[in-house]
Amino acid sequence: AQSVTQLGSHVSVSEGALVLLRCNYSSSVPPYLFWYVQYPNQGLQLLLKYTTGATLVKGINGFEAEFKKSETSFHLTKPSAHMSDAAEYFCAVSDYSGYSTLTFGKGTMLLVSP
Amino acid sequence: ETGVTQSPTHLIKTRGQQVTLRCSSQSGHNTVSWYQQALGQGPQFIFQYYREEENGRGNFPPRFSGLQFPNYSSELNVNALELDDSALYLCASSKETGVSEQYFGPGTRLTVT
Repeated sequence: AQSVTQLGSHVSVSEGALVLLRCNYSSSVPPYLFWYVQYPNQGLQLLLKYTTGATLVKGINGFEAEFKKSETSFHLTKPSAHMSDAAEYFCAVSDYSGYSTLTFGKGTMLLVSP
Repeated sequence: ETGVTQSPTHLIKTRGQQVTLRCSSQSGHNTVSWYQQALGQGPQFIFQYYREEENGRGNFPPRFSGLQFPNYSSELNVNALELDDSALYLCASSKETGVSEQYFGPGTRLTVT
C-alpha cells in the first residue's frame, strides 16, 4: 500500500521568499512521484513529476523537487515566491502496478503575503 | 486540443437520490479515472475505465458505478446519496493505463442535503 504525508496544512511566506513544501511517501516498490497545484474552484494541474533518472526534477512556474530515496521524501521548492503561487499543493505517488492510480496527500495551502 | 471537460459544474441533490456526472476525455486519451475530493482533503481514487472496461477500483461501495463509452467519455453514477458524498468529483484522462500522465478536469461540485 502507498501513502503520502504532507507536513503542514498551511504554509505562509512573504513574496520573494523561499517556498518549501514537504512531502514524504511510503511505497513498497520504486515510486513515481508528482506535485499538483489546485487554484480555487479549479481542477488539478501537474507541476512536475519524477519517474526515473535524475533525482532533481524541474517543473513549471519555477518549481522544482528532489527525490531522496533514503529519506523517502519529495519536497517541493521555489527560490522566490510570487503572489500568483498562492494555491493548494498536493503531492501524489503511483506505483503503476497494473493500472495507474494516484494516491494523494491531504494538501498544503500556500499563502503568500506582500 | 480540447482538455478534459466535466458537467455539470455544480449540483445539489437530496439524500437518497441518484446522480450522474459526466466527463469528456482529452482527445487521443482512452483511459478515464474518477476521484472524490472531500473538503479539506486530497483526492481519493474511485475507479478507472480503460477501453470501456473497469480497470481498477478504490475503496468505494458498489453504489458508486461508472461507464465508459466508445468515444472514451465517461459517467460516474452514485445511487442512494448520503450526506458524506458531498465533495468535488474530479475526472482525469490519460493516453493509456499504466505509465501515463493524468490530465484533470475542473470537477463537479456535488452537495447532498
